[in-house]
Amino acid sequence: KQEVTQIPAALSVPEGENLVLNCSFTDSAIYNLQWFRQDPGKGLTSLLLIQSSQREQTSGRLNASLDKSSGRSTLYIAASQPGDSATYLCAVRRGGNQFYFGTGTSLTVIP
Amino acid sequence: NAGVMQNPRHLVRRRGQEARLRCSPMKGHSHVYWYRQLPEEGLKFMVYLQKENIIDESGMPKERFSAEFPKEGPSILRIQQVVRGDSAAYFCASSPSQAIFQETQYFGPGTRLLVL
Repeated sequence: KQEVTQIPAALSVPEGENLVLNCSFTDSAIYNLQWFRQDPGKGLTSLLLIQSSQREQTSGRLNASLDKSSGRSTLYIAASQPGDSATYLCAVRRGGNQFYFGTGTSLTVIP
Repeated sequence: NAGVMQNPRHLVRRRGQEARLRCSPMKGHSHVYWYRQLPEEGLKFMVYLQKENIIDESGMPKERFSAEFPKEGPSILRIQQVVRGDSAAYFCASSPSQAIFQETQYFGPGTRLLVL
């Protein structure tokens, strides 16, 4: 059974700081890994999708890496802004029809 | 192109009542997935449907829960005789196809169900 863990559960940083969110998964036989953003009372917004054959993906100030063999992914956010405050979810797709989600990291960027 | 739509956004029910949650996938998407997010827990897969077919309901509780995706109209997640433990956010996602694992799923805003 696939278990996805995210550390830390909550993070508070001053504006402008670079930060790293961590995700680990127990079964390395995955098709892809995806990072989502969830704002309070809203749905999920896809940030970055990394295929199992890839090592990283970048979009603007975001960079996600994937080390399948060790079952880890990191999401790096550069020059954080208050608008980045949200819950960040990591999800892996192992084949089949579903994503397996972590419980998320709640990020607060203080102006 | 409108995104995935869910209604109602908030639903309050008393114990024993029925809850019906609706999901309209993105235009051109024929695959629908339902997830449940319990308080302080991650999203958990419930069921995957194509038009008129349930493909995978391995995450669905065996009793009181059912889902459908008719030929016409939205997908419906139905919870009969709700209990307080059903209080959660229910998210619907859609995708154009299932066979392409490189694709993502597009999520709706969710329905927050509160059982009194």
